[in-house]
This record gives sequence, C-alpha cells and structure tokens, in this order.
Amino acid sequence: DSGVTQTPKHLITATGQRVTLRCSPRSGDLSVYWYQQSLDQGLQFLIQYYNGEERAKGNILERFSAQQFPDLHSELNLSSLELGDSALYFCASSVTLAGGSYNEQFFGPGTRLTVL
Amino acid sequence: DQQVKQNSPSLSVQEGRISILNCDYTNSMFDYFLWYKKYPAEGPTFLISISSIKDKNEDGRFTVFLNKSAKHLSLHIVPSQPGDSAVYFCAVKRGAQKLVFGQGTRLTINP
Repeated sequence: DSGVTQTPKHLITATGQRVTLRCSPRSGDLSVYWYQQSLDQGLQFLIQYYNGEERAKGNILERFSAQQFPDLHSELNLSSLELGDSALYFCASSVTLAGGSYNEQFFGPGTRLTVL
Repeated sequence: DQQVKQNSPSLSVQEGRISILNCDYTNSMFDYFLWYKKYPAEGPTFLISISSIKDKNEDGRFTVFLNKSAKHLSLHIVPSQPGDSAVYFCAVKRGAQKLVFGQGTRLTINP
C-alpha cells in the first residue's frame, strides 16, 4: 500500500460525458502528478500540482483539467469524452517539488476509465 | 518523439536465472534514472534508481547499470523469482523536471 488513494477504481461512461477522478496523496506529500496509461503504452505524464499550484504540464488535452485543493487532494476532470480516452489514470505523490537528487513518486492503484 | 524506449515488450526467464531488462534514452542531459515495477491492478512501485555520476547501483537481487556513452540503462535481477513477474518501467529525469517513462517490459518468470 503506497498510501496514495484513488477513487473510483472503475468508471464506465459514454462518449460526450464528463467524469471526475479523485486522488488523495500520501500524508505530508505536497506534489501530485497525474498520468495516463493507454493499452500497451507507457505512462504519459499529464500534469503536476505542488501545494495547490500547477507546476508542470505534459500531454494533457484541453478537454482535461485538474486542480489541487487546500487539503492537498486532487481531481482530474475529463470532459467531452471520446473512445480514445479509455485508459488507466494514475495519480502519484511525492514529498517535494523535485525531490532533491531524485524524485521518488508513490503511485495510487489507478482508475480504469472505459468510454463506450 | 520517444525520449525513452524499452524495445522488448516482453521477456520470459527461467526461475533462478538472470533477468536483464533494457532501456535506451535519447537525451544526454538526463541525470537520474529509475526503475518501477507494476503488478496488475496496482500502481507502479519504485524499485531502484541511479544518478548519472554512477555506473552501477545494487540493492539485493536488483542491480541497475548505466552506460552514459551508449545512453543505455539496464536492470539485472538475479536470481529471478516467480514474484518478479510484473511489468517493469524505466523512467528518466533531468534536474527538477518531470519523470519520463518507457513503455514497459512484461517479465514472466517460469518455474
């Protein structure tokens, strides 16, 4: 158990809909990262928040948005869903912005999104 | 533009033998390299890492080798055990920038 929780575990929805994925980081971790893993693909970095502020953006579509709340939990909002958005979405957290010499990220179990 | 490549999607190894997983990267500015392990229905877990100032780091049965001139990273597991069956991702970073992950290699350890 990494200490990072994600809800829901599974989500099935239709094209055009909007969903919200939730992540609670490990206690004390200020950075939250979101990743997308499509079938047979690696982990694609979407976005990072640090202590409530957006810090880095990756390959995140304009239809997607995220935020980190004062209690440090984060939500990833996916709208106008398309079939290709079906994937595993992982949240990870780390203590610091860069983690010094390395940035060990602790991953949650993921949310499996299926768009029909 | 794949900055990190794991060219073997899968690898099958006999229990007790050595497993060698490989990873190539394109940017010589990367300065930290990590391996993550992922079981089905779980998130990736950190396994071992190495900084660019070293060429080898060992932790029990796991050793990571870094060949900077070849921009190549490898993970050796010896002896391999059935519980090592998982997907292994290499990841690289530069300074305070984000981690970049490879596509993963599915390792199967056969009894």
